[in-house]
Parts: sequence; C-alpha cells; structure tokens
Amino acid sequence: ETGVTQTPRHLVMGMTNKKSLKCEQHLGHNAMYWYKQSAKKPLELMFVYSLEERVENNSVPSRFSPECPNSSHLFLHLHTLQPEDSALYLCASSTGTSGGAAYEQYFGPGTRLTVT
Amino acid sequence: GQNIDQPTEMTATEGAIVQINCTYQTSGFNGLFWYQQHAGEAPTFLSYNVLDGLEEKGRFSSFLSRSKGYSYLLLKELQMKDSASYLCAVRVRGAGNNRKLIWGLGTSLAVNP
Repeated sequence: ETGVTQTPRHLVMGMTNKKSLKCEQHLGHNAMYWYKQSAKKPLELMFVYSLEERVENNSVPSRFSPECPNSSHLFLHLHTLQPEDSALYLCASSTGTSGGAAYEQYFGPGTRLTVT
Repeated sequence: GQNIDQPTEMTATEGAIVQINCTYQTSGFNGLFWYQQHAGEAPTFLSYNVLDGLEEKGRFSSFLSRSKGYSYLLLKELQMKDSASYLCAVRVRGAGNNRKLIWGLGTSLAVNP
C-alpha cells in the first residue's frame, strides 16, 4: 500500500473511445505527476501539477488531457488514442516540486492501457 | 541533452553482492535517486544522493561522484525478492524553481538460487 491509488488497473479501448484514468493520493502531498512507461523506453514525464496548477507539460499530444480538481486527485482524459499510446500509465505524488530538500515520488500501481 | 546510462540486465547469485552502475550527462544536476520496480508493480524509492559519497541503508548502499557523473547501487546479501528492475533517476532544475526527474531505462536484475 503506497498511499497512491489508480483506477482502472487495466483498460482496453478503441481508437474512437473516450476514457479517463483516475489517480488519488492519501499522503497530503502538493504535487502530482503523470508518467508513461513503455517497453524499452525510460519513464516519460507527461504532466506535473503543483498545488493544482499545471507546471509542466512535456509536449504531450492533445489527445491526452489532464485535470487536477484538487491536490488529492488527478485525472488523465483520453480520446482518439493511437495504438502506440498503449503503455503503463503511472501516477505519482510528492511533497513538492521545488526547494533544496530531497523529495521522493510515491507511485501508484499504474493503469495498463491497450489501444486497439 | 540529458542522458542516463545503465546496464540493461544483470544476473547474480543469492547471498552475493551486486553493483549496478549509472552514468549521467545532465545539466542542472540536483540529486540522484534509485528506485526499485518489481514486474507489474509501481516503482518504489530506495535511495537519494545529492553530495559525493556513500549512503548506506541496510542491505542497500548508493554512491555518487558528481565530478564523474557516476553513481552505483550496491546490494548486499542478495535475496530472491531482490529480482527486479532498478531505475536510476537524476533530478534537474527545470522551468522556474521546479525540479524534474530524468529517468534511465532501468537495470533488470535476476537473482538465482
């Protein structure tokens, strides 16, 4: 139990579908992240939210749309995805995104997404 | 550009010691992390280094040399449950006052009986 939960754990969707991934953290953290993890590739940072404000968007296609309604919840809305978007999508949280003190990111179990 | 290199795979024997190396070429270095990820599970934090030297934490130790752009994770008294992928990540200064992590591909460690 890491304190970060993600739903669903597995998702199969067609290219014309619209779906959403949900992440919730119970750690009182102020920053939340979406990562994409594909085989043979390093973890790719997609979005960063700090105090509910998006502070980083790493050139992610517009078919991925994040939403952070409060510091405990993070969504990733998906529409018209491509087969190459199939991957493990990981959510993480941390105490913050700046400052000199060390911080570690706590990860959720991920959503295994398959686009058909 | 930002680059992190780790060996892709390693094999070791139960009870032995293994060292997993990580070299990096990054700008705005602000610390180095090691994470462990078992197959099908989330990465979990193992260690953090921001100053040169060795940080020991039970069976795991991590070393950093900033001048050489080099770190290693040392696992002692290996157990079967240590079979996992070990991810090296460098924190760099991003836009404004924010930091972000640049990740290596991970080293898949297999511990054999």
